[in-house]
Amino acid sequence: AQKITQTQPGMFVQEKEAVTLDCTYDTSDPSYGLFWYKQPSSGEMIFLIYQGSYDQQNATEGRYSLNFQKARKSANLVISASQLGDSAMYFCAMREGNTGGFKTIFGAGTRLFVKA
Amino acid sequence: EPEVTQTPSHQVTQMGQEVILRCVPISNHLYFYWYRQILGQKVEFLVSFYNNEISEKSEIFDDQFSVERPDGSNFTLKIRSTKLEDSAMYFCASSGDRGHNEQFFGPGTRLTVL
Repeated sequence: AQKITQTQPGMFVQEKEAVTLDCTYDTSDPSYGLFWYKQPSSGEMIFLIYQGSYDQQNATEGRYSLNFQKARKSANLVISASQLGDSAMYFCAMREGNTGGFKTIFGAGTRLFVKA
Repeated sequence: EPEVTQTPSHQVTQMGQEVILRCVPISNHLYFYWYRQILGQKVEFLVSFYNNEISEKSEIFDDQFSVERPDGSNFTLKIRSTKLEDSAMYFCASSGDRGHNEQFFGPGTRLTVL
């Protein structure tokens, strides 16, 4: 069963505007963590932001914020004031709490294009 | 800033050969991972390792694969009898402790099986 779903294969955004990348997840474990990673064309995986299932506040890291809607099982990434350097592949990922080995499952990714 | 390193950056091998991919995790980290990303596809979990043994493995991680921490710094992934479909980017990652949320990824090794 697909546990992480990213429905937007590609997104365009104008420089300096905000963009939301969608992510929905599926788990029956009450304890889980949600992550977003950025993968530029160079290939490395860059951690952006983390949200725990018990966290009361939505996570924020600089220009990145995570719109966590637990009842809807969504964890959308919001990038404010987009920059040309934000053009990359973005992966949503989940780690369930009952996994002793910290297995992290990734979505298919969304490719973001920032236009000048 | 400490980082995860991986060698080689690119490995080309003939089908049927064995390869060893090497990783040096961040020095005070306790948990280590291998992931695979076939070109253009999503990142797939292979295995996690803690206290000198496998903690969890995916269905991809069959008898063809093995991991080892031969000394205090290296973490290796061995792929025996490589197949064409093993061609992918292999990422090593490490994390600090049970409560540590971030897995730090290395730059990856691109494996090409001919």
